[in-house]
Amino acid sequence: NAGVTQTPKFRILKIGQSMTLQCTQDMNHNYMYWYRQDPGMGLKLIYYSVGAGITDKGEVPNGYNVSRSTTEDFPLRLELAAPSQTSVYFCASNIGRRQETQYFGPGTRLLVL
Amino acid sequence: GENVEQHPSTLSVQEGDSAVIKCTYSDSASNYFPWYKQELGKGPQLIIDIRSNVGEKKDQRIAVTLNKTAKHFSLHITETQPEDSAVYFCAASRGAGTYKYIFGTGTRLKVLA
Repeated sequence: NAGVTQTPKFRILKIGQSMTLQCTQDMNHNYMYWYRQDPGMGLKLIYYSVGAGITDKGEVPNGYNVSRSTTEDFPLRLELAAPSQTSVYFCASNIGRRQETQYFGPGTRLLVL
Repeated sequence: GENVEQHPSTLSVQEGDSAVIKCTYSDSASNYFPWYKQELGKGPQLIIDIRSNVGEKKDQRIAVTLNKTAKHFSLHITETQPEDSAVYFCAASRGAGTYKYIFGTGTRLKVLA
């Protein structure tokens, strides 16, 4: 299994541009998550999904959108990039069913200038 | 809101010494407490976890203790090695069975050879 994969690894955006961060998992996990990690801070939950077609907001959803059309994919959309969205973004998944372990992708480093 | 405090933010130890990282949580309903290790340029990886019905858990050189009354839990690494150098995050579940977690702000551990 490849586990959780994320693309791109690094991206520079101009203010106001949009982009989609891709996340795919091949473990047939029900739950998927998007986090952002700012320097010196813990991981903050942006959005999560408990299965295909179901998404919900986390702690810091403003400025982001998600969709979950398949079990495998959970893309994160930034519509109007702002400097405050400069961060490292991690996607994670877990199977649920009383198994709490979350598996993280390698991250996407985003710089908004 | 609910939060998790983690101390210290940085920790330097000599190779072979022990390292202890402490976390305090506020949500009395939290019942699952994972610890993640994040190496440079990678996503967090689970190293050990503990549930609220257990006071201590060990896995080779790593142990976690939980004091539910005081709402704190700790990570203990014995006989530290240079490859233990990384950032460590604690987390606590949001309530019970939610598969959502509140993360601490991380501890950068440096093991000096």
